[in-house]
Amino acid sequence: NAGVTQTPKFQVLKTGQSMTLQCAQDMNHNSMYWYRQDPGMGLRLIYYSASEGTTDKGEVPNGYNVSRLNKREFSLRLESAAPSQTSVYFCASSDLGYQETQYFGPGTRLLVL
Amino acid sequence: GEDVEQSLFLSVREGDSSVINCTYTDSSSTYLYWYKQEPGAGLQLLTYIFSNMDMKQDQRLTVLLNKKDKHLSLRIADTQTGDSAIYFCARRAGSYQLTFGKGTKLSVIP
Repeated sequence: NAGVTQTPKFQVLKTGQSMTLQCAQDMNHNSMYWYRQDPGMGLRLIYYSASEGTTDKGEVPNGYNVSRLNKREFSLRLESAAPSQTSVYFCASSDLGYQETQYFGPGTRLLVL
Repeated sequence: GEDVEQSLFLSVREGDSSVINCTYTDSSSTYLYWYKQEPGAGLQLLTYIFSNMDMKQDQRLTVLLNKKDKHLSLRIADTQTGDSAIYFCARRAGSYQLTFGKGTKLSVIP
């Protein structure tokens, strides 16, 4: 059981380049999430997918798109990267159980120059 | 003020108890969580408490919830150097979202 996996671990982009961050979970969870973590800001929700086939905006969705490819996979796309998107990105998953715990991946560290 | 607030730093000596505090504004929160983040790693769930509970104990961890004051605390007994990390308080906000505090960096002095 790998839990939540994310690729790549690190990425450097130039302003204006695009990239897709990949996330997969093997816990058969219905819900998946993308967060960004910035120094002194805690974690902020970018997008989430409550179930396969649905996606919704979180607190900071501008500049991002997501795709829930199937129950296991949830990708985050930056169409035209900006320096303000330099951050650590975490994917998480959860099931609607009685404590609804979210389980996190190891993160992707992104630097936009 | 912020939805979930925590002090940013805490320093304790090895073997002492650590108490990390958190306050929140929304009294409708159903679940409250403590996550631990070690350097360069993702967040690991430590424990959670349901809003109808006052206290939860799990080995060296004790969570206290004061609903009247909207105050949550995490006590770590016999703190070890391996407990050095950032600790995040989070509350459930709606059906799917968690709202996180900014994290408390715990430093354990040998």
